[in-house]
Formats: sequence, structure tokens, C-alpha cells
Amino acid sequence: GENVEQHPSTLSVQEGDSAVIKCTYSDSASNYFPWYKQELGKRPQLIIDIRSNVGEKKDQRIAVTLNKTAKHFSLHITETQPEDSAVYFCAASWGNFGNEKLTFGTGTRLTIIP
Amino acid sequence: NAGVTQTPKFQVLKTGQSMTLQCAQDMNHNSMYWYRQDPGMGLRLIYYSASEGTTDKGEVPNGYNVSRLNKREFSLRLESAAPSQTSVYFCASTRLAGGAQETQYFGPGTRLLVL
Repeated sequence: GENVEQHPSTLSVQEGDSAVIKCTYSDSASNYFPWYKQELGKRPQLIIDIRSNVGEKKDQRIAVTLNKTAKHFSLHITETQPEDSAVYFCAASWGNFGNEKLTFGTGTRLTIIP
Repeated sequence: NAGVTQTPKFQVLKTGQSMTLQCAQDMNHNSMYWYRQDPGMGLRLIYYSASEGTTDKGEVPNGYNVSRLNKREFSLRLESAAPSQTSVYFCASTRLAGGAQETQYFGPGTRLLVL
């Protein structure tokens, strides 16, 4: 299977500053890397994803970078706002073609300090 | 378009009791998944169904069974609940177009307490 490690487990950032969350994965065949945001008591929701044929992807204040050689990927949030406070999960795909699954990291609790 | 729905939202069981968690999606997705979420451990895959008629074990299948009733519905059964199964359970689905993993859409979750 796949092993995904996520760091840090908690992160506090001043409002307006940037936040970076990092993940490493073990399966070199992994080709899909999504990031989910989970607010308290709610379901995880996709915020951005990247495939292995791309090194970086941006969506407004959110960006994800992927280094396939080093097997790590990172989430970057710029100009943080109070509504960015949540738990963030990275994930990596694994398994045979047509039967792929996701393995999730253990999550990062991000707190934005006003 | 309700997306992914789960019932019940909350359940309390006594050790040894059984129950079935229900999940349905109306997005015509091929693949469906059951996860459990425990503090500090992220989302762990219990069982999944890559397509209608197939089911496979995930990372933590012991103590659970599943049924892919049709393309829309995927249920999770606890035959004899144990306190270690106290958790929040999420169902998810994805289109899995051409075999490649895509966005997984999650249900609202079922909070289960086993006494």
C-alpha cells in the first residue's frame, strides 16, 4: 500500500501571513495528490489537487507543489484569513489501474490568529 | 442533487449490538468508499467498491462487512460492535473515470458511540 506522512500536526499563523503544510509519500507509482479541508463537525471537502505530470498548480490563494523525485508535495496558503482555520488533509493515490484508492495523511490543524 | 447522503447521523450502541450504516450517492459515480476518522489518525479506509458488484478490503476491515446494493448505495455493517469501533464514519464516492482516481465527494458522516 501507500504510506503518507504529514507535517506539522498543528500550525498557527498570523492573519495575512502564509502557511505551508508538507506531505511525503512512499509509492513511486502514485499519480494523484489531493488536499482536503475539514471544518469542525463537517465533511472533508477538496480544495485543490495535482497530478504527477504537473509540478505546480494554483487556485487564487492556494497552491500545491509536487516533487516526484523526492516524493513530497506541499500545500501553500497565502494571505491567510480567519476562514482558513480548519484541519487540512493530504492524500496520495495507489493501487492498480481501475482500482485506485487514496491514503490520507494524519491532518494539520491550522489556526489563523486575528 | 443531494450528492452523498448518510444515515443515521448519530448512533449509540452497546457492545455486541449490530447495526448498518447507509450511504447513497446521486452523482452516477462508479466507486464508493467507507472511511473511519479517529483523532490524530486521519481518514482510514475500511472497505471500498471500485464498481457495482465488487467490494474489497481497505486498511482496517476487521469487524466490518459491506454491501454494494446497486450503483447508488453502499452499506457498512457492524455485526458485533466493540468500543474500539467508536468513531466518525464517512462514506465517499468518485467517478473513477478511465481508472484514474478523481475527486472523492464525502457524505456528512455518522458519529458512532459504542458503550
